[in-house]
Amino acid sequence: QKEVEQNSGPLSVPEGAIASLNCTYSDRGSQSFFWYRQYSGKSPELIMFIYSNGDKEDGRFTAQLNKASQYVSLLIRDSQPSDSATYLCAVNIPSQGSGAGSYQLTFGKGTKLSVIP
Amino acid sequence: ETGVTQTPRHLVMGMTNKKSLKCEQHLGHNAMYWYKQSAKKPLELMFVYNFKEQTENNSVPSRFSPECPNSSHLFLHLHTLQPEDSALYLCASSLSGRDGYTFGSGTRLTVV
Repeated sequence: QKEVEQNSGPLSVPEGAIASLNCTYSDRGSQSFFWYRQYSGKSPELIMFIYSNGDKEDGRFTAQLNKASQYVSLLIRDSQPSDSATYLCAVNIPSQGSGAGSYQLTFGKGTKLSVIP
Repeated sequence: ETGVTQTPRHLVMGMTNKKSLKCEQHLGHNAMYWYKQSAKKPLELMFVYNFKEQTENNSVPSRFSPECPNSSHLFLHLHTLQPEDSALYLCASSLSGRDGYTFGSGTRLTVV
């Protein structure tokens, strides 16, 4: 069974601190990895994606991937109250067929982050 | 707006009603998806359409019936739903599948 695991939280960090969000996945065939942010009552919004082992930085966000350990993380530097949301880890797994629909995006339950002013 | 538009935003229906959810994307994407999001559960993939052909049906009950007339439009027809079907229904689209999905704003469905 293909699974994506995240701590549900809530994770509370003070404003200005680094928030660290973690995710593990079970399918070694996974090829691409995503972090989505979802505010309460809203739809998920893509904030980062990573394909290769190592770190990828975009502004205050850094995604880290370790395929050997089947582990992906998201660091948020200088956390702001506006970062308070649920962060969803998603893993893209090839399935049958070809074309765009041949991948399936499997989500974790999400980690709720609260940044305390 | 993300480029994926869903209507209606909110829907309340009785268990004997028939209703449809609509999704439209103008991003030039080739694949469209229906996801269900219930409280305290991960997003659940329901249906996948690739170039308007259904490629995946994740054991979804027949009271949910998808329709994809072209690559830009996707419908979810609902009939004789149960209260446990109350959830946020999200439509998404993608170009290559590998690069992640763009989600619509969702339809908050309540079955009474």
